[in-house]
Amino acid sequence: ETGVTQTPRHLVMGMTNKKSLKCEQHLGHNAMYWYKQSAKKPLELMFVYNFKEQTENNSVPSRFSPECPNSSHLFLHLHTLQPEDSALYLCASSLPSGSTDTQYFGPGTRLTVL
Amino acid sequence: AQSVTQPDIHITVSEGASLELRCNYSYGATPYLFWYVQSPGQGLQLLLKYFSGDTLVQGIKGFEAEFKRSQSSFNLRKPSVHWSDAAEYFCAVGAGGTSYGKLTFGQGTILTVHP
Repeated sequence: ETGVTQTPRHLVMGMTNKKSLKCEQHLGHNAMYWYKQSAKKPLELMFVYNFKEQTENNSVPSRFSPECPNSSHLFLHLHTLQPEDSALYLCASSLPSGSTDTQYFGPGTRLTVL
Repeated sequence: AQSVTQPDIHITVSEGASLELRCNYSYGATPYLFWYVQSPGQGLQLLLKYFSGDTLVQGIKGFEAEFKRSQSSFNLRKPSVHWSDAAEYFCAVGAGGTSYGKLTFGQGTILTVHP
């Protein structure tokens, strides 16, 4: 499989559930990202990982917990979410080179919180 | 802080007509600029990017964009639109160096193509 894959593609959960989103990149990149895309709002960067180390947390609530066990895998653990957390969650990866960087995106997980 | 404005929320064109999607950015240094396209229910696909050099950039699917520093713009163009180009288009600006990864996206422009 090539590119950036995300599972599941769709997820419906209650506010008391615990679930996880998975992202895997097959591009040999070393940086990975989580974005949130809500209706009528620009994409919001949530987290950045470089070589498994978190380098950016964009003031994300603690009910979202990222995990990056290696440069190819990225998880987003979800617990006690709110209905306003319903959105498309996109994963991306990149290979920073000098001062330039291009991000490649996965297909996203459509999350609905009831 | 960097920002991106896409003035047109929704554009409708006829198939075969030319297209220009506008993007204005704000950034204190030399920007790194991107255009992505998103089809319904899908992730973002990179169309083209500008890092340096020639200000006219060619991308996939027959798209091109021109970087105009004096106007802080990076407009996307296509000479003849196909029905399959209907999608949402996002312009983004990135910081280089140690601030890589901090892409700022515009609100997006939805393109509708009439037969």
